[in-house]
Formats: sequence, structure tokens, C-alpha cells
Amino acid sequence: GAVVSQHPSRVICKSGTSVKIECRSLDFQATTMFWYRQFPKQSLMLMATSNEGSKATYEQGVEKDKFLINHASLTLSTLTVTSAHPEDSSFYICSARDPDRPYEQYFGPGTRLTVT
Amino acid sequence: GQNIDQPTEMTATEGAIVQINCTYQTSGFNGLFWYQQHAGEAPTFLSYNVLDGLEEKGRFSSFLSRSKGYSYLLLKELQMKDSASYLCAVSNSNYQLIWGAGTKLIIKP
Repeated sequence: GAVVSQHPSRVICKSGTSVKIECRSLDFQATTMFWYRQFPKQSLMLMATSNEGSKATYEQGVEKDKFLINHASLTLSTLTVTSAHPEDSSFYICSARDPDRPYEQYFGPGTRLTVT
Repeated sequence: GQNIDQPTEMTATEGAIVQINCTYQTSGFNGLFWYQQHAGEAPTFLSYNVLDGLEEKGRFSSFLSRSKGYSYLLLKELQMKDSASYLCAVSNSNYQLIWGAGTKLIIKP
């Protein structure tokens, strides 16, 4: 099956610093990747849709200048949380779409971000 | 608007059967997914239904009725490790996944 990796799995950073999270599709080329955020005991919230070679599409209420998304290749998308604050502490999960199976998304293992 | 409804929490006994329901209203339909999510982990794929009927996969089965906008996930011979959240998601006409809030399943011995 399709495999998606995410790095790092856990990160702790100080308030005001920036953190970059990588999402890679390991055995397929993902023209589209998705970034989700999940707070404790809540469901997944789509933050943005990332298409290779173009600007990401952000969901309403998500600040594009704070959550920078880059999808420079068919196998890599990055999410940078800029000037992180404690309220940004969350579980961030990426998923990738295989163009041969556009109805399905393959999930990375997630990144636990803690901002102190 | 687009909407997915599923119960917030369910409790069942080890060895028993439980059915988790999901109703949906979306702009277009390209299939319905069930995912399992343990606390602190990413969702893992359980099933995909795009045609009406029952899909069986081991202890887990998933049913879809497109005319009713309804699906259920049936878990048989429950085990303690089945304690998790179960997420219903629909792929809409843009192949976007619309997510339900998840059903937390608690298994008691």
C-alpha cells in the first residue's frame, strides 16, 4: 500500500520560534497533499490543500502567513508554523492523494507539536 | 452545507457486536470511508464503500445506502484493542474528504 512519512514525530519549541514539518510520499507521486490539525478529543480539521507547483488553498480561518505550506516536489510537502504560540500546540497530520486513486487519502503518522 | 453525523460515544462489552452509524449530506459523492484512530495516533484505513451494500473484512463490515445517505460500521467479536475513535468520512465531488467528529468506542471487559 501507499506509504506516507512525516518528520519529526514530536517537537517541542519555545514560543516565538518557527517549526517545519515534512510530509513525504514514499512509493507514489502525490500531486495533492493535505494538512490537518487535531486538538485533543476533537476530529480532524483540514487546514489546507497543497498542490505541487502551486500555492496552497487554505481553509477559512487558517492564517496562511502563519502556516506556510510548500509543495515543491511530487513527493514532499512542508508545513512551517511561524512564530509559534502555545495555542498552536496540537497534533498535525498530513495526507497524500495518489492520482491513480483520487478518492482516497493516505495518512502520515502525525507530528505532535508542543509550544512552551 | 456539508454535514456528517455520527454518535459521540458508544460503550460495548468484550466479545459482543457493535454498530456505529453515520449519516451524511455532501456536495457530490465519491465514496465513504471508515477510519480507526487510537489516541495520539494518525487514522488508519478500515473500509471504503462506493456502491450500496455490505462490505465484509474479517471482524469488520461496512454498509452503505446512497439513497438514504447512511452508512454503518459493524464490529464483531469485540476485543479490548478495538477501543478507539471511529471516523466516518465522505469523498465529495472535489475528492475532498468531509469528516465526521468521530465516535469514541469504549470496550468493557
